[in-house]
Amino acid sequence: EVQLVESGGGLVKPGGSLRLSCAASGFTFSSYSMNWVRQAPGKGLEWVSSISSSSSYIYYADSVKGRFTISRDNAKNSLYLQMNSLRAEDTAVYYCAREAAAGTRYFQHWGQGTLVTVSS
Amino acid sequence: DIQMTQSPSTLSASVGDRVTITCRASQSISSWLAWYQQKPGKAPKLLIYKASSLESGVPSRFSGSGSGTEFTLTISSLQPDDFATYYCQQYNSYRALTFGGGTKVEIK
Repeated sequence: EVQLVESGGGLVKPGGSLRLSCAASGFTFSSYSMNWVRQAPGKGLEWVSSISSSSSYIYYADSVKGRFTISRDNAKNSLYLQMNSLRAEDTAVYYCAREAAAGTRYFQHWGQGTLVTVSS
Repeated sequence: DIQMTQSPSTLSASVGDRVTITCRASQSISSWLAWYQQKPGKAPKLLIYKASSLESGVPSRFSGSGSGTEFTLTISSLQPDDFATYYCQQYNSYRALTFGGGTKVEIK
């Protein structure tokens, strides 16, 4: 069974930093691109970032480019999101999501999410 | 970036109703569209991919259609478990994925 478990969320002041992690199990992690998708309270879904299976291709939404960094460790079956220069508008539940099959770019598996709150 | 516009934003319906949700893309995305269902406090669930392919395990009352810029998600006979928010997502643009704003299906 595919499992994605996010951690690392919490309360942080504007301008601060936070690192999210996603622990993956139940599939060959190194074979799939991985993604972060967020959802602000009461709002819709927003794709944040993607990383290819070997980390060769990395993409970001314009709203986080230059502030967030996605990375992965295939040996540890883990995905990360380093978030710097956080703003109030970054407050959201952050989901780790796996594509359905290599290169498909839609999300078949999701974690339960971790809440990031940016507030003074 | 490709913009995705869903309508309506809220829909009131009764059990047994046929429900249709529309998603429009700002440019052609061929059939590279997925639909998700999300319930409060839960992660989204994949329903449809490639515009009309039903994800394994999803009830057959859900169907998707369309290509190019206009797409629909249809629930043929609304069930109590279907009251939720639905999102479309384009994946034609490899570098920038985008979701629609969502359609909340409420009990009438």
